Amino acid sequence: GNSVTQMEGPVTLSEEAFLTINCTYTATGYPSLFWYVQYPGEGLQLLLKATKADDKGSNKGFEATYRKETTSFHLEKGSVQVSDSAVYFCALPLYNQGGKLIFGQGTELSVKP
Amino acid sequence: KAGVTQTPRYLIKTRGQQVTLSCSPISGHRSVSWYQQTPGQGLQFLFEYFSETQRNKGNFPGRFSGRQFSNSRSEMNVSTLELGDSALYLCASSWGGQATYEQYFGPGTRLTVT
Repeated sequence: GNSVTQMEGPVTLSEEAFLTINCTYTATGYPSLFWYVQYPGEGLQLLLKATKADDKGSNKGFEATYRKETTSFHLEKGSVQVSDSAVYFCALPLYNQGGKLIFGQGTELSVKP
Repeated sequence: KAGVTQTPRYLIKTRGQQVTLSCSPISGHRSVSWYQQTPGQGLQFLFEYFSETQRNKGNFPGRFSGRQFSNSRSEMNVSTLELGDSALYLCASSWGGQATYEQYFGPGTRLTVT
C-alpha cells in the first residue's frame, strides 16, 4: 500500500548547523511529493514540493530532491535558524483519490541559539 | 487573498455530546479536505469534498460526517463524542480536483472532550 516513513525526532541542532530529515515513500506510479511545516500552535504550511523524478523543490533555504531510484525525498537545509524550530511532515498525494494526502509521522526540529 | 479559516478555534465538549466544526476555504477553491491530528496517530485523513460531493473517505466511524455547501464552505460533525476524539482538526482547501494541487491548511480547531 501507500505509505510515508520519516526519521523519528526530536532533532535538536545548534544554530547554523546542517539539517537533514529523511523521508521515504511507497506508492503506485510516480506521485508528487510535498514537505509541510507546522509551527507551534498553527496549521500546516506547504514548504516545498516536487512533481516528478529528479525534481528539486526549494523554499526558504530548504531543499528536497525527488529520488525515484531510492524512493526518497529527504529535506535539507545548509544552515538552520532558531526560527526553523517546528514539526516537519513529508506528504504523499494519492493518485486518483482526490485531495487525500498520506503524511509521515512528523519530525520535530528544535534549533538552539 | 484570505487564507483558510476555521471556527471555532477551541472547543471543550463532554463525552456523549455532538460538535460541528466549520471551514471556509480560500476563495475559488472547490476542494475541502479534513484531517485529524493527534500525538499518537499523527495526521489522518477524514474525508474530502469537491463541488458538494464527498469524493473520498478515510477510515473513521460513522460518527464522523461532513458536508459542503454551494459556496464551498464545509462543516464536519462528530456525534456521540468519545474521549479519544480529542484532537486538532485541520481542514485544507485546494483549487483543483487532485491531491497534486497544492493544499492550503487552516489553523485548526482544537477539540477537547472531557
